[in-house]
Amino acid sequence: AQKITQTQPGMFVQEKEAVTLDCTYDTSDQSYGLFWYKQPSSGEMIFLIYQGSYDEQNATEGRYSLNFQKARKSANLVISASQLGDSAMYFCAMREGREYGGATNKLIFGTGTLLAVQP
Amino acid sequence: DVKVTQSSRYLVKRTGEKVFLECVQDMDHENMFWYRQDPGLGLRLIYFSYDVKMKEKGDIPEGYSVSREKKERFSLILESASTNQTSMYLCASSPFGGANTGELFFGEGSRLTVL
Repeated sequence: AQKITQTQPGMFVQEKEAVTLDCTYDTSDQSYGLFWYKQPSSGEMIFLIYQGSYDEQNATEGRYSLNFQKARKSANLVISASQLGDSAMYFCAMREGREYGGATNKLIFGTGTLLAVQP
Repeated sequence: DVKVTQSSRYLVKRTGEKVFLECVQDMDHENMFWYRQDPGLGLRLIYFSYDVKMKEKGDIPEGYSVSREKKERFSLILESASTNQTSMYLCASSPFGGANTGELFFGEGSRLTVL
């Protein structure tokens, strides 16, 4: 069965430092997609970054990068130069189903990591 | 700007009441989803729909039903609310297939308390 594991319930990081949030996944599919979402205290889910299973380069979006290690089945999120506004819950997710052109795009989510950025 | 709107941010209901959670999206997306979020459990899929009048069970459908009469609207129904259905409910939508990544667009959530 497909599964996402986030082993860090909570983390602290100093402002301006980099932080890595861990995510491992389990799937027998050859094609899949990995996502990170941010959920601030206000509750909305904010999409951060996406990595396709066939993408050779690690995805980057501004201060966010996804450290994709396919053989290890890990998809860690790296936030560089942390800011106070980065304090939030972070969820790793995986798209079930086939690659583009037919997927119903169900996502399965991990349990989340609560990040607290300290001044 | 893309938008998924959930009708109520906060609801308080009594045990045994019938509860409707409404979700509307304005992006002409085929897929719509209802997730439930609980501390330590992350988001769990209740039901999803990939077309009007179509629905499929997710991982935790027991105690819930859904309705999708129009493409833009997806309703979650608790036929007889129970205290263990106290939770945050998140609606999401996404386009079907094509070259999209499968990113879900979420509403702001509905926090339901059942007393």
